[in-house]
Amino acid sequence: DQQVKQNSPSLSVQEGRISILNCDYTNSMFDYFLWYKKYPAEGPTFLISISSIKDKNEDGRFTVFLNKSAKHLSLHIVPSQPGDSAVYFCAAITTSGTYKYIFGTGTRLKVLA
Amino acid sequence: EADIYQTPRYLVIGTGKKITLECSQTMGHDKMYWYQQDPGMELHLIHYSYGVNSTEKGDLSSESTVSRIRTEHFPLTLESARPSHTSQYLCASTRNKNSPLHFGNGTRLTVT
Repeated sequence: DQQVKQNSPSLSVQEGRISILNCDYTNSMFDYFLWYKKYPAEGPTFLISISSIKDKNEDGRFTVFLNKSAKHLSLHIVPSQPGDSAVYFCAAITTSGTYKYIFGTGTRLKVLA
Repeated sequence: EADIYQTPRYLVIGTGKKITLECSQTMGHDKMYWYQQDPGMELHLIHYSYGVNSTEKGDLSSESTVSRIRTEHFPLTLESARPSHTSQYLCASTRNKNSPLHFGNGTRLTVT
């Protein structure tokens, strides 16, 4: 039972355009969500997070949107750069529950120069 | 910047060998985790710890064991490695549930 789903295994975007990565979840108890970026043979690097009391959080080129009613979150990267090419994972946790962070399967983003 | 270290980065080992993957963090975090990840797959939680002398199994069945004798150290041991253990093993830590996990660079294990 996969509680966090990233249905697009890959995405290609032209440099300078917007990248939109999507994530769906099934557990309505999740209340803290995170995005990570991962290069091959390295550990994931934290990008941005959002609490369920918000519907948007921005940090530079990265914006995360949360739609609780749809159990959906998305990561927007504007403008996309070739260095953004990596695998992006979303993750979720129930802060009132155990300390288990649940991850999606990842989306491979390729930014074309 | 997070300070969490994993050794070795790469390991190729024969079937039946005992191995220990090391993970240390210098941030004083109580919560530590081991995840296993194969290409194209999600990160699977195999073990976690709330603090010293506290360890729990994760959602993915694993033949590995962990220990937490010191706050900063969370090693993972495979008593008898098998080819099915070939994977990337990622260690992480956090201070509390409203904070992100900080990951090490991982250990890429290959069992021949």
